[in-house]
Amino acid sequence: NAGVTQTPKFQVLKTGQSMTLQCAQDMNHEYMSWYRQDPGMGLRLIHYSVGAGITDQGEVPNGYNVSRSTTEDFPLRLLSAAPSQTSVYFCASRGQQELFFGSGTQLSVL
Amino acid sequence: GQSLEQPSEVTAVEGAIVQINCTYQTSGFYGLSWYQQHDGGAPTFLSYNALDGLEETGRFSSFLSRSDSYGYLLLQELQMKDSASYFCALQVDSWGKLQFGAGTQVVVTP
Repeated sequence: NAGVTQTPKFQVLKTGQSMTLQCAQDMNHEYMSWYRQDPGMGLRLIHYSVGAGITDQGEVPNGYNVSRSTTEDFPLRLLSAAPSQTSVYFCASRGQQELFFGSGTQLSVL
Repeated sequence: GQSLEQPSEVTAVEGAIVQINCTYQTSGFYGLSWYQQHDGGAPTFLSYNALDGLEETGRFSSFLSRSDSYGYLLLQELQMKDSASYFCALQVDSWGKLQFGAGTQVVVTP
């Protein structure tokens, strides 16, 4: 039981490049979400999903796309990276009362 | 929308007790959670209050008062390993969507 697995751990992009952050969970959780964490701002919700085929926007969705084709996987796509997207990204899935977080992706956009 | 306020930093000595307050403004919510995050790590779940009152889990306790729009996390018998950031978070829908506060950094000194 690996929990929530995020890849990559670190990534450097140039402005305008695209990339996908991968997230997988093996706990059969319906609810999955992506957060970004910036200094002094806590965690802000980007997108979330309540099951395969269902996604919705969170607090800061602009510049990001998601899809949920299976219960296990919830990738986050940056279509055209901008310096404002430099941040630490966390994927999470929800159990009975709590979120289980992945180990995070530190993304720098130059 | 929702907003949560918590102090940015608290310093205490080993063995002491620390209380981290969280005040919030919201039109409705399901519960208040607390998460711990060590530097460079993923947030981990500490506690959840769906109802008013005190929840105790070992050295940590959490309290909620809906009438006062207020909650707190109590850390007892502080240990060096408790040095971390602590986040309060409102559960804003039945699926478990969370809105986080900006976090409180707890510094434990010898």
